[in-house]
Amino acid sequence: EIVLTQSPGTLSLSPGERATLTCRASQSVSSMYLAWYQQKPGQAPRLLIYGASSRATGTPDRFSGSGSGTDFTLTISRLEPEDFAVYYCQQYGSSPLLTFGPGTKVDIK
Amino acid sequence: EVQLVESGGGLIQPGGSLRLSCAASGFTVSSNYMSWVRQAPGKGLEWVSLISSGDNTHYADSVKGRFTISRDNSKNTLYLQMSSLRVDDTALYYCARGHVLGFFDLWGRGTLVTVSS
Repeated sequence: EIVLTQSPGTLSLSPGERATLTCRASQSVSSMYLAWYQQKPGQAPRLLIYGASSRATGTPDRFSGSGSGTDFTLTISRLEPEDFAVYYCQQYGSSPLLTFGPGTKVDIK
Repeated sequence: EVQLVESGGGLIQPGGSLRLSCAASGFTVSSNYMSWVRQAPGKGLEWVSLISSGDNTHYADSVKGRFTISRDNSKNTLYLQMSSLRVDDTALYYCARGHVLGFFDLWGRGTLVTVSS
């Protein structure tokens, strides 16, 4: 069974700073099937990145994804005020069929 | 407008049943992978169930045997029939459109299910 772990649990940063979020899988995940979402309070999740590194429609280019195998990274190059949110990674295709990581909260320092 | 609108949530006693609906507009449910994802209060996202465009269904172990996903193509609507509900099924249930690569590119706003005596 694949388990996704995200670190850190909370990241406290200031606007303009760089954010690096990590998603680690307990077993290898195909990068085709790794996605990242952003969720703000009271809102549904929003797809940011799919296929580990492809930006979804409307995702600003300050967001980038990378990684392969068991280690994946979401980077926000310069934090904007609207980027403070919770970020989830998600894998598809391995048992269980689909799992989300526990999330990383990016809050204002 | 392309959107998903969930309904059917509410307060239900443990052991009870409830059917959630998700009405789609702007695209065809039957041509897409569709899923239910839930979020317990203050917690993270948990995938619940998926139905493929080929009618294959899949469930998380936590709901297998209790929940059934289906769709009505004539109404362009996705359903989740929930039975033998437990307190730990309490959550906001989202409907989401999936891609063959497994990501969700469209989400509804969710419907809240509260299981309590």
